[in-house]
Amino acid sequence: AQTVTQSQPEMSVQEAETVTLSCTYDTSENNYYLFWYKQPPSRQMILVIRQEAYKQQNATENRFSVNFQKAAKSFSLKISDSQLGDTAMYFCALRSSGSARQLTFGSGTQLTVLP
Amino acid sequence: GAVVSQHPSWVICKSGTSVKIECRSLDFQATTMFWYRQFPKQSLMLMATSNEGSKATYEQGVEKDKFLINHASLTLSTLTVTSAHPEDSSFYICSGWTGAGNQPQHFGDGTRLSIL
Repeated sequence: AQTVTQSQPEMSVQEAETVTLSCTYDTSENNYYLFWYKQPPSRQMILVIRQEAYKQQNATENRFSVNFQKAAKSFSLKISDSQLGDTAMYFCALRSSGSARQLTFGSGTQLTVLP
Repeated sequence: GAVVSQHPSWVICKSGTSVKIECRSLDFQATTMFWYRQFPKQSLMLMATSNEGSKATYEQGVEKDKFLINHASLTLSTLTVTSAHPEDSSFYICSGWTGAGNQPQHFGDGTRLSIL
């Protein structure tokens, strides 16, 4: 079985500052994919960034970047220049390449960007 | 980007009625559709996985006769909550996936179901 752990239920950051959300995971697969989704108050699930486990280079998408540490099974999300619109619940998710292709989600981190 | 359309967005109905939720992938072929349930301030709970043309695979504890899933085409999946009761009130979200490992799931906007 695979698990995803987000140890920070809530976080806050001042507008324009940088914040890092933590995520650790466990899987017996060697090949897998990691994702960060955000869910704003509208409750729409929006893909933020994705990482393929076989790629050593950390993924970046504009103000969003990850720190992928495969040996430590860690996949943190860094948000730079935080904006009010970044306020949302953030979910870390894992999909292995094995037969069970569904996403395993973490419990989420509620991020609030303060003006 | 890939779009999944989910309808209705909000439904209120009386106890005992059946409710159908529709999920369409608009610009890609979803070989797999996932149905989730989400309680307030909690993570998504997978209910079932359906592959086009096959019977859905339900997660442990999810009643397949209660939550009927149909995935008749590569662009349409439906979830029918049969004989709904107040405890079925929740937020239901579908997502579509092409089946390619490096591709993400694309989520619908969700359906808020309230059973009176």
